[in-house]
Amino acid sequence: QVQLVESGGGVVQPGGSLRLSCAASGFSFSSYGIHWVRQAPGKGLQWVAFIRYDGSNKNYADSVRGRFTISRDNPTNTVYLQLNSLTTEDTAVYYCAKDRLRSSIAAVGADYWGQGTLVTVSS
Amino acid sequence: DIQLTQSPSSLSASVGDRVTITCRARQGISDSLAWYQQKPGKAPNLLLYGAYRLESGVPSRFSGSGSGTEYTLTISSLQPVDSATYYCQQYYTPPLTFGGGTKVEIK
Repeated sequence: QVQLVESGGGVVQPGGSLRLSCAASGFSFSSYGIHWVRQAPGKGLQWVAFIRYDGSNKNYADSVRGRFTISRDNPTNTVYLQLNSLTTEDTAVYYCAKDRLRSSIAAVGADYWGQGTLVTVSS
Repeated sequence: DIQLTQSPSSLSASVGDRVTITCRARQGISDSLAWYQQKPGKAPNLLLYGAYRLESGVPSRFSGSGSGTEYTLTISSLQPVDSATYYCQQYYTPPLTFGGGTKVEIK
């Protein structure tokens, strides 16, 4: 069965960095794009980033572009999200999610999600 | 960015009621719309994509409609397990965006 497991969350000071990982299993990982979506405490969902199945295309939300970097390692079925220059506004649960369509050149929504990892930015 | 506005932000309805949630986009999105259900402390669950296509395993009481800039999610007969927050998401063009959410409560 499809499984996505996030890790790497924790408490970090403003201005700090963190790297999140998303370990995937149960599907042909190298054929699907992966999303990162976050949710601040008590707030709605915010899409953060997407990486195409082959890593050739990446998209970011305006609020994180230039600070966050998404990457993937297909041999190890892992997607990463590097978070730099963190602010308190980045405090959230971060979910990784599998894109719905195989070998899609663009994101088309997410059909499987991990359980999330909490990032807290606080001094 | 394409802003999505959901309405209402919350609603309370009885079991068996027909419930409708609206999602309006600032520009046309050519049916590139997904609907998700999220329960407290859980990850979102995909309900529909392509505006009206039901994801596998989702009960048929959920349906979607609309076109252009206005879309709706309908629950034909509300069940206790449907108590959750519902979000629309456009994938017409990056950056992808979500609506603000609609919290559905059971009376």
